[in-house]
Amino acid sequence: GQSLEQPSEVTAVEGAIVQINCTYQTSGFYGLSWYQQHDGGAPTFLSYNALDGLEETGRFSSFLSRSDSYGYLLLQELQMKDSASYFCAVRGDNFNKFYFGSGTKLNVKP
Amino acid sequence: EPEVTQTPSHQVTQMGQEVILRCVPISNHLYFYWYRQILGQKVEFLVSFYNNEISEKSEIFDDQFSVERPDGSNFTLKIRSTKLEDSAMYFCASSELGGRGTGELFFGEGSRLTVL
Repeated sequence: GQSLEQPSEVTAVEGAIVQINCTYQTSGFYGLSWYQQHDGGAPTFLSYNALDGLEETGRFSSFLSRSDSYGYLLLQELQMKDSASYFCAVRGDNFNKFYFGSGTKLNVKP
Repeated sequence: EPEVTQTPSHQVTQMGQEVILRCVPISNHLYFYWYRQILGQKVEFLVSFYNNEISEKSEIFDDQFSVERPDGSNFTLKIRSTKLEDSAMYFCASSELGGRGTGELFFGEGSRLTVL
């Protein structure tokens, strides 16, 4: 089976840095993705890590450690518009299928 | 910018009725998916579709569910006899390269199904 764990909720202030962790247990592993979902909206792709290390895309970075079955999403210079749910998703035993975590609700306060 | 479109945005139905949710994936994409999200919960994989057939399905996707690509553009999810627990947001997604590259999924805005 597949299981992914993320914190359910995180609160931070505008301008701060926040890290959202994801640990996973899967029968196979090809990569870890991150998606952002605003209330009532569709998930949108943020990043993908297939190899260990850090991937940076603007204010967002994503990290993967395959040996620890762990990854995180780092959001810098937080803005109010970053308030959303963030999902990690593992490409597990099937290269063409992603399993999503339960999501982390990020609240950005002024 | 190309996008995945879904209809209807909201459907209310009586338990036991059949429902068809429609999706138009991005035109050059080859891999299509249905996911569902019960309010406030995680996004759950239902089924993936490639080359006019199901390539993978989850344990949720039982005999009451079916998918079809009736023409070159539409991708449909049929729920044959709806149950109360089928109430959820259903997302269609498509992917250009599927297993290759990042496998980035492009999601539609979702169809909210309410079963009474």
